[in-house]
Amino acid sequence: DAGVIQSPRHEVTEMGQEVTLRCKPISGHNSLFWYRQTMMRGLELLIYFNNNVPIDDSGMPEDRFSAKMPNASFSTLKIQPSEPRDSAVYFCASSSQDTNTGELFFGEGSRLTVL
Amino acid sequence: AQSVTQPDIHITVSEGASLELRCNYSYGATPYLFWYVQSPGQGLQLLLKYFSGDTLVQGIKGFEAEFKRSQSSFNLRKPSVHWSDAAEYFCAVGAHGTASKLTFGTGTRLQVTL
Repeated sequence: DAGVIQSPRHEVTEMGQEVTLRCKPISGHNSLFWYRQTMMRGLELLIYFNNNVPIDDSGMPEDRFSAKMPNASFSTLKIQPSEPRDSAVYFCASSSQDTNTGELFFGEGSRLTVL
Repeated sequence: AQSVTQPDIHITVSEGASLELRCNYSYGATPYLFWYVQSPGQGLQLLLKYFSGDTLVQGIKGFEAEFKRSQSSFNLRKPSVHWSDAAEYFCAVGAHGTASKLTFGTGTRLQVTL
């Protein structure tokens, strides 16, 4: 079975540009999570969805960040406008709340560099 | 609020030596506890988890962890480390009911010398 798929794997952009990161969760999983990883702050939960509905977005840094999940197989994380401090690896993860094992399945991440 | 502390940022062990990575958590009730491993350029992979029952849990790749409520700890162990175990290890805590909403520690980077 395919795991969590993220794109792009690497993105280099200039400050002020819009960035869109994409995620396809594992088929059948009904929870999706966006994490950000930096050396300074480690892994931070940005937002998570349950059955396509945002449940907790308290980790979203500011209004420049937005996330959507239009259907069960696709989610986006958008940064507009981007800033150098947004440089990080962004991970998407999915899980099945039905089994409630708590296990998250992570994608390989999208490494964002904002110049 | 739940939190996790991994006091060791970086550990170096020789191949074949035993390993213990420390994890302390803060949570008001019985937590769900996890250890994940991250190889360079990869996402995180679950090693093992504790929900309830036997406090010594076995995971993949020969790892085990012991839940000690009195010490609020969930240390990861392996009796004999292999060079391929070099990676970053993350301890995480989740709450009952929202088990997948995990709070991660800052990670411990393991280096293995030959």
